[in-house]
Amino acid sequence: AAGVIQSPRHLIKEKRETATLKCYPIPRHDTVYWYQQGPGQDPQFLISFYEKMQSDKGSIPDRFSAQQFSDYHSELNMSSLELGDSALYFCASSPFVPTSLAGGKANTGELFFGEGSRLTVL
Amino acid sequence: AQTVTQSQPEMSVQEAETVTLSCTYDTSENNYYLFWYKQPPSRQMILVIRQEAYKQQNATENRFSVNFQKAAKSFSLKISDSQLGDTAMYFCAFTPYSGGGADGLTFGKGTHLIIQP
Repeated sequence: AAGVIQSPRHLIKEKRETATLKCYPIPRHDTVYWYQQGPGQDPQFLISFYEKMQSDKGSIPDRFSAQQFSDYHSELNMSSLELGDSALYFCASSPFVPTSLAGGKANTGELFFGEGSRLTVL
Repeated sequence: AQTVTQSQPEMSVQEAETVTLSCTYDTSENNYYLFWYKQPPSRQMILVIRQEAYKQQNATENRFSVNFQKAAKSFSLKISDSQLGDTAMYFCAFTPYSGGGADGLTFGKGTHLIIQP
């Protein structure tokens, strides 16, 4: 079965440089999430998108931005990189499913994670 | 805001033993989902088990089962007949029911489980 694809898997940048991470969700998944996991830390939620619109925002620095495109892939752009940005960046996707509740669709809450992109800032 | 607490930073058991990982959470939501994710040394995040808050029956997946106590806001994971491949970080996670959005997961700090041969 198709999984969430992230690229690049590894990235090395210098301080103050810019980096872009890409995420291709599982086909027919409506939502994309970005997480940052520092060494020995739990994953921290950055931002999410539903149907190409920003849905929820977590602890994403102002230096970071993200968007979801018409083909549902997403990109996380990171500028003015700092040493503390060195981390594993996960993308995850999640499907909406039909529901009898108002709105007709609901998020299952279950996230399918990619293998992560490891960013090292020197 | 939701919080998830895992009070056991590390646990170690012998192969074939049963182990229980603890998780408590705090929320004002009535409808939500709870998860246990496993992160082995490869760092891949793998879903172990999922529980919907409105379901009273505890979820089970083969050797993995949960004890969900909604009133106590407790969600523990029991691993039976533990195997060497179960060695990993285990994260408890919470998300509110989202009828029309994509709320992120809130993770606990994790429990490092070591299965000894």
